[in-house]
Amino acid sequence: DSGVTQTPKHLITATGQRVTLRCSPRSGDLSVYWYQQSLDQGLQFLIQYYNGEERAKGNILERFSAQQFPDLHSELNLSSLELGDSALYFCASSPTVTSGGLANTQYFGPGTRLTVL
Amino acid sequence: AQKITQTQPGMFVQEKEAVTLDCTYDTSDPSYGLFWYKQPSSGEMIFLIYQGSYDQQNATEGRYSLNFQKARKSANLVISASQLGDSAMYFCAMTDRGSTLGRLYFGRGTQLTVWP
Repeated sequence: DSGVTQTPKHLITATGQRVTLRCSPRSGDLSVYWYQQSLDQGLQFLIQYYNGEERAKGNILERFSAQQFPDLHSELNLSSLELGDSALYFCASSPTVTSGGLANTQYFGPGTRLTVL
Repeated sequence: AQKITQTQPGMFVQEKEAVTLDCTYDTSDPSYGLFWYKQPSSGEMIFLIYQGSYDQQNATEGRYSLNFQKARKSANLVISASQLGDSAMYFCAMTDRGSTLGRLYFGRGTQLTVWP
């Protein structure tokens, strides 16, 4: 158990809908990362938050947004869903925001498997 | 440009044998970190081992060791005494001080199958 929690574990929805994925980081971690894993794209970085503020964006679509709340939990909002959005969405957390270093290893949650029908 | 390359889509090893999973990386940053993660069929991503670019010695963690060859830009994972529970997808990943601090760049993974 990494200490990172994600809900829900599975989500099935229809095209055009909107969903919210939730993540709680490990105790003491201030940085949250979101990744998308799909068969064709592999593991792709979406967005990073640190202590409530957005710090970096990766390959995140405009239909997707995220936020980190004062209690440090984070939500990833996916709207106008398309079939191609079906994927495993991971949240990871680390203590700080600086690059690399064993002390800043990212620990992953169990993921949310999104299926868009 | 691909930051992390894993050229072995699948590997097979017999139980109790050692296996090496290949990983090469690409960065011009002298400061970077290399990670290996394991993803069993259940889907979670499990951190295995870390190697920093300035670390003098190869990292080891139980049955896992990292064969770090800086000049060749390779960071191969060695699993000794394989167990059936080692069957999983293994991902090599890297962070550097490039475009985004802290983000992980992942390879496409290697599916390891351990047979009795």
